[in-house]
Amino acid sequence: EAQVTQNPRYLITVTGKKLTVTCSQNMNHEYMSWYRQDPGLGLRQIYYSMNVEVTDKGDVPEGYKVSRKEKRNFPLILESPSPNQTSLYFCASSFDRRETQYFGPGTRLLVL
Amino acid sequence: GQQVMQIPQYQHVQEGEDFTTYCNSSTTLSNIQWYKQRPGGHPVFLIQLVKSGEVKKQKRLTFQFGEAKKNSSLHITATQTTDVGTYFCNTGFQKLVFGTGTRLLVSP
Repeated sequence: EAQVTQNPRYLITVTGKKLTVTCSQNMNHEYMSWYRQDPGLGLRQIYYSMNVEVTDKGDVPEGYKVSRKEKRNFPLILESPSPNQTSLYFCASSFDRRETQYFGPGTRLLVL
Repeated sequence: GQQVMQIPQYQHVQEGEDFTTYCNSSTTLSNIQWYKQRPGGHPVFLIQLVKSGEVKKQKRLTFQFGEAKKNSSLHITATQTTDVGTYFCNTGFQKLVFGTGTRLLVSP
């Protein structure tokens, strides 16, 4: 089944404790991105990747890192999480930036 | 950076009424996509518009791209409770920008 998977789905952590949210797609997509969704602000792009080893900042990259060592995986890293990073995070992938984006199920993160 | 305004933010209708959401940009858009997100779910692609003045239909949903390619609309005829959710427009070149979304509530 073609899909985008994210793990974990829910996470409660404390300020400053490094965490990684994994994202994997099995559709051989080149374009992958991370979004955060907050009430009243819609979906805001954090980082995107046009292909392996090619990543770039979206609108809200501060406090986040990403890597794209393999085509299928695009992990989101929070080196030192802070409470303002409490949010719902979505990973998405597509064949290229202008094609249909397929979203993962989301990761709900709470930083205390 | 590019900004896309979406209105209204929220609309509550009775089942059977029509509904329209608008997506507006100050710059010319290369394309626009529409997504629907059910409560508790993730965004799901509905349609993409590319050409100036383009109109596409999916059953009760009508999507339109403005002649100047600076705005787009999604119109739902005779809403049903299954239409409940948040509707987002999306555009961009490499960096993608989503509108803030319109949350639709439909009462039976």
